[in-house]
Amino acid sequence: AQSVAQPEDQVNVAEGNPLTVKCTYSVSGNPYLFWYVQYPNRGLQFLLKYITGDNLVKGSYGFEAEFNKSQTSFHLKKPSALVSDSALYFCAVRDIGDDKIIFGKGTRLHILP
Amino acid sequence: DAGVTQSPTHLIKTRGQHVTLRCSPISGHKSVSWYQQVLGQGPQFIFQYYEKEERGRGNFPDRFSARQFPNYSSELNVNALLLGDSALYLCASSIREASSGANVLTFGAGSRLTVL
Repeated sequence: AQSVAQPEDQVNVAEGNPLTVKCTYSVSGNPYLFWYVQYPNRGLQFLLKYITGDNLVKGSYGFEAEFNKSQTSFHLKKPSALVSDSALYFCAVRDIGDDKIIFGKGTRLHILP
Repeated sequence: DAGVTQSPTHLIKTRGQHVTLRCSPISGHKSVSWYQQVLGQGPQFIFQYYEKEERGRGNFPDRFSARQFPNYSSELNVNALLLGDSALYLCASSIREASSGANVLTFGAGSRLTVL
C-alpha cells in the first residue's frame, strides 16, 4: 500500500529566503505525486504534480518540486518566500493502478516578515 | 465555471444521530472522492466513486456510506455519529488526463461537522 511522510510539523522561514518542505513516499510501482496547499477554513488547492519526465516540476505561485527516485522524495521548494505563502501544505501520492490518492499529515509553513 | 460545491458548510449533531453531506462536482467530472480531515491531520480517504460505482474505500466503519447519482453528484452518509466523527469532510472531483492518465483532485471547501 502506498504512503507518504512529511517529517516536519512546522517550517519557519524568513521572507525572501528560499523554502523547502520535505516529503518522502512509498509505493509499489511508479508514483504519481502531488502537492496541495490549504488556507484557513478552505479546501485544498492543487499546486503541482509529478507524473513522469523531468524531475523538477514547476507549479502555481512560483512553487516547484524535485522528484528523487533513489531517495523516494518529492520536496517542495520556492526560491524566495512570501508572507502570503504561510499555510498548511500536503504532499500526496497515488500508485499507478490504484485510483485513491493518499495524503501526508501536512506541514505548517510560517513565513516571518 | 462553478467549482466543487458542498453542503451544508457547517452542522452540529449529537451522538447517535445521522448526517448526510452533499457534493456537486465540477461539470464534466465523473469521479468524486470523499475525505475526512480531523483537526491537525491530513485528509483521510473515505470513498471514491466513478460513474456511480464505488472504486475505492478507505479504512472506515460501515457506519460510513456514500453514493453517486446519475448527474455525478454525491452524498456521504454517516450513521450513529460518534464524538470522533467531528471533522471537516472534503469532497473532491476529478477527471483523468488523457495525456498522462493522472487525475488531479479539485476540492470543495468542505462541510464542518461537530458532534456533541
